[in-house]
Amino acid sequence: EAGVTQSPTHLIKTRGQQVTLRCSPISGHTSVYWYQQALGLGLQFLLWYDEGEERNRGNFPPRFSGRQFPNYSSELNVNALELEDSALYLCASSSLRGVSYEQYFGPGTRLTVT
Amino acid sequence: KQEVTQIPAALSVPEGENLVLNCSFTDSAIYNLQWFRQDPGKGLTSLLLIQSSQREQTSGRLNASLDKSSGRSTLYIAASQPGDSATYLCAVMDTGGFKTIFGAGTRLFVKA
Repeated sequence: EAGVTQSPTHLIKTRGQQVTLRCSPISGHTSVYWYQQALGLGLQFLLWYDEGEERNRGNFPPRFSGRQFPNYSSELNVNALELEDSALYLCASSSLRGVSYEQYFGPGTRLTVT
Repeated sequence: KQEVTQIPAALSVPEGENLVLNCSFTDSAIYNLQWFRQDPGKGLTSLLLIQSSQREQTSGRLNASLDKSSGRSTLYIAASQPGDSATYLCAVMDTGGFKTIFGAGTRLFVKA
């Protein structure tokens, strides 16, 4: 069974540009979570999507947004990139059936903003 | 507001030693607590998940415990190996919106 996949692996952008990151969850999982791991700041919760709807978001400005598609894959969009957006962006998926809600992570997308 | 703290921040041990990593959280209203391993520049690998109604989980040389009332979890690693060298992260999923809060991690180095 395929795990969580993310694309692209690496990305270099310039300040002010926009970027789209993609995530495909494990088959059967309806929830997708996005996290930012910036150097020295640890893993920060960004967004949670389930069944196509945004269910919760962390303390990030509105220029961080996303969506979830009918096949449960997800995109994270970041507008007006700033230098401090440079980070590893991780996506995780889980199933809300059952009680464990265990999250499985993808390999991440490394974004560098210059 | 949920806060997760991990102690120690870094640990260096000789191969073969048993060790304990600590995690504490401030709000006991959680669905679960999950321990992850992260190798440099990589994604996270799930090690153990403890549901809020459980007290411990075991997988191979790993054992994780959960004391929700005191807001503490420990990850016990038996007979450590150089391949265990990585950053270990503790995360809690709160009941108020499935928000997952991570600790800063413990960076483990096992010397051969």
